[in-house]
Amino acid sequence: DAGVIQSPRHEVTEMGQEVTLRCKPISGHDYLFWYRQTMMRGLELLIYFNNNVPIDDSGMPEDRFSAKMPNASFSTLKIQPSEPRDSAVYFCASSFTGGHGYTFGSGTRLTVV
Amino acid sequence: EDQVTQSPEALRLQEGESSSLNCSYTVSGLRGLFWYRQDPGKGPEFLFTLYSAGEEKEKERLKATLTKKESFLHITAPKPEDSATYLCAVQGRSGNTGKLIFGQGTTLQVKP
Repeated sequence: DAGVIQSPRHEVTEMGQEVTLRCKPISGHDYLFWYRQTMMRGLELLIYFNNNVPIDDSGMPEDRFSAKMPNASFSTLKIQPSEPRDSAVYFCASSFTGGHGYTFGSGTRLTVV
Repeated sequence: EDQVTQSPEALRLQEGESSSLNCSYTVSGLRGLFWYRQDPGKGPEFLFTLYSAGEEKEKERLKATLTKKESFLHITAPKPEDSATYLCAVQGRSGNTGKLIFGQGTTLQVKP
């Protein structure tokens, strides 16, 4: 299995632009999570899905952030408009019911200038 | 509110010098406690899951233990390749039970 696949690995964008991060979970996993990691705040859960349905989006910072999971093999996290304070590493992770822990992707390093 | 606190924030050891990392937690009913290892530029990598007080898990030079309030990650005779950030996370039984709450991590450096 190729693991959790995220793209792009790095993204540099200007303030005000739209940014879309992509994630392909492990086949057969029914949970998908989006986390953000910064030095100051560590790993923060933004939103998670179960069977493609959003379960908890209380960690989404504000309306500029949105996430979708149109099918079991794909999810996106969109930031519109982006701001410098959104600069962070964004991780996607997946797991299955009854499983032990998550499998994380390699992350997308986002820099907003 | 579920919380996880890890200490120390950073730890420097000489190769072969054993030590322990601490993870203190508060959670409304523990479903599981997880340890992950994170190398620079990579995503966290799963190490262990512990489910009940008294449980222990081992993998090479690492041993994780669990009490009702904290978990320890013991590193025996570490090697430079053990250098990484170690993250602890809890999963609770109440509310939205699918999510993990992570601590800030302990960054371990092992010098040859």
